[in-house]
Amino acid sequence: GENVEQHPSTLSVQEGDSAVIKCTYSDSASNYFPWYKQELGKGPQLIIDIRSNVGEKKDQRIAVTLNKTAKHFSLHITETQPEDSAVYFCAASLIRNQFYFGTGTSLTVIP
Amino acid sequence: DSGVTQTPKHLITATGQRVTLRCSPRSGDLSVYWYQQSLDQGLQFLIQYYNGEERAKGNILERFSAQQFPDLHSELNLSSLELGDSALYFCASSPAGSRGTQYFGPGTRLLVL
Repeated sequence: GENVEQHPSTLSVQEGDSAVIKCTYSDSASNYFPWYKQELGKGPQLIIDIRSNVGEKKDQRIAVTLNKTAKHFSLHITETQPEDSAVYFCAASLIRNQFYFGTGTSLTVIP
Repeated sequence: DSGVTQTPKHLITATGQRVTLRCSPRSGDLSVYWYQQSLDQGLQFLIQYYNGEERAKGNILERFSAQQFPDLHSELNLSSLELGDSALYFCASSPAGSRGTQYFGPGTRLLVL
């Protein structure tokens, strides 16, 4: 099955700086890559996703890039704010199938 | 608010007992997925239902079972509970014809003592 690795496991940045989280996947057939943000005591919330026919997608301060050849994708958060502090999960899947999640990155934005 | 509801929010029970977790998907969503989140295992896929039929199975123990009812709500049954079953259990739903997006509920926190 698919194996998703996520780095780093923890990340601290100063408010206003950028944060980058990276994931690699093993199954070249995977074609859907969502990113979820999980705040304490809540369920994962989809923040951005990308499909394998696209190399980059941006939504305000959040962007995701995908390199199909290298089988890795990254989440970029610019101009970080304290409310960005949370655990972020990447996932890989075949569309409409189960998700394989990374192990999560705990992001702390220091005011 | 994702539109997915789960009950109960918290559940405390003893080893050997049986519990039922309930999930109501977003209005119109036909697919329901169950995930287990524990500290050392991350988010693990358990099982998927589509319009009442089992669609895919992941790392679901034989002591666990699930079903999706005609009104599309789903229940996850956990029996002969062990201490290691303590975890957060999430339900997610996605619409028919979805391009992959899954919407997660707030979860049920299960503590087995």
